[in-house]
Amino acid sequence: EVQLVGSGGGLVQPGGSLRLSCAASGFTFSTYAMSWVRQAPGKGLEWVSAVSGSGGDTFYTDSVKGRFTISRDNSRNMLFLQMNSLRAEDTAVYYCTRDKQKYFDLWGRGTLVTVSS
Amino acid sequence: EIVLTQSPATLSLSPGERATLSCRASQTFSNYLAWYQQKPGQTPRLLIYDASNRATGIPARFSGSGSGTDFTLTISSLEPEDFAVYYCQQRSNWPPYSFGQGTKLEI
Repeated sequence: EVQLVGSGGGLVQPGGSLRLSCAASGFTFSTYAMSWVRQAPGKGLEWVSAVSGSGGDTFYTDSVKGRFTISRDNSRNMLFLQMNSLRAEDTAVYYCTRDKQKYFDLWGRGTLVTVSS
Repeated sequence: EIVLTQSPATLSLSPGERATLSCRASQTFSNYLAWYQQKPGQTPRLLIYDASNRATGIPARFSGSGSGTDFTLTISSLEPEDFAVYYCQQRSNWPPYSFGQGTKLEI
């Protein structure tokens, strides 16, 4: 089955760190760019970060540059998002997505990140 | 950064009616626009890409059109399962990819 399964969310204090993971299956993972898209409670969608299929190129929205790091392990079909210096405004459900021609054609089960003291 | 503005914010219709959702961009770009559907508690689903191409498995009642700065998603005859939130997204000028704020289609 073609799917993405995200994990790693939780409650963290402001300034803290969290690492999200996403397990891919059912397709040739290394041939696709991947992204993280988030959705704050009751709000719309916001693209956060993308990584090329090889992992050599990474991209970020301005609000997370210098704080978040996207990476992937093609040998294990895994996508990651290391989130440091977390802020209250980072509270959201984080979705891992498959990029097909820069559209998001496959979405994983979201993982909730709550930044609160 | 291209800003996408969707209208209306909420659209109230009945099953069988035609729905027309709008997405307007802050600057002109090619037809690199997608539409997504999100039902409560579910992940978004790609409906339309490149402004007018239906994604795999999407029913023919969904159609997309437009170019430049104005794009439209049309649902020809609403089914009960179509009531959801719809988002547009551009890939023409990135990063960042940008989404519209969404249109809630309600009964």
